[in-house]
Amino acid sequence: GDSVTQTEGQVALSEEDFLTIHCNYSASGYPTLFWYVQYPGEGPQLLFRASRDKEKGSSRGFEATYDKGTTSFHLRKASVQESDSAVYYCALSDNNNNAPRFGAGTKLSVKP
Amino acid sequence: AQTIHQWPVAEIKAVGSPLSLGCTIKGKSSPNLYWYWQATGGTLQQLFYSITVGQVESVVQLNLSASRPKDDQFILSTEKLLLSHSGFYLCAWNGDWGQDTQYFGPGTRLLVL
Repeated sequence: GDSVTQTEGQVALSEEDFLTIHCNYSASGYPTLFWYVQYPGEGPQLLFRASRDKEKGSSRGFEATYDKGTTSFHLRKASVQESDSAVYYCALSDNNNNAPRFGAGTKLSVKP
Repeated sequence: AQTIHQWPVAEIKAVGSPLSLGCTIKGKSSPNLYWYWQATGGTLQQLFYSITVGQVESVVQLNLSASRPKDDQFILSTEKLLLSHSGFYLCAWNGDWGQDTQYFGPGTRLLVL
């Protein structure tokens, strides 16, 4: 079945550091890929999504490019801020109205 | 605009007592509805989803059950709470297409003592 793998469980950075969170997926066809962000005490919210190979999603300085060749959708940000501290989830949905699959999440902590 | 509400906001319950958590979606007809659970500091665990009234699919039960009595309502319940049920419960919805964005509710925090 479809699945999403996030390599990093926790990432600790300082402000202005470069961020990469790795996301690889396994699915047939062209699933839609998502990044969600969850702040403490809240539900996850959409950061952005992408539906086609080579499509770039971006929001708030974060970006990821849909890569069907490497089945990846890695999250990157050039310069993180303390306010970016949160849990980030990679997810995918197929075209069959099945429930979306979420990765295990990556907790980002940014020190001032 | 669509809105999603969850109730209660928080609960403290005794082991062995019953539980009922609710979720209501306004402004969207025939949504797909989902229940998730998070242990404190843990990952998002999908529990149930429903595509239509009266139909619920179980992903991981954790001694819980779910029902969809109305198009806009999704209920999570159990007759006997366990300590392991403590955590954060999230309801979510998306549109008719499986690849649509999921919109999460504010969550219910449950502590079982």
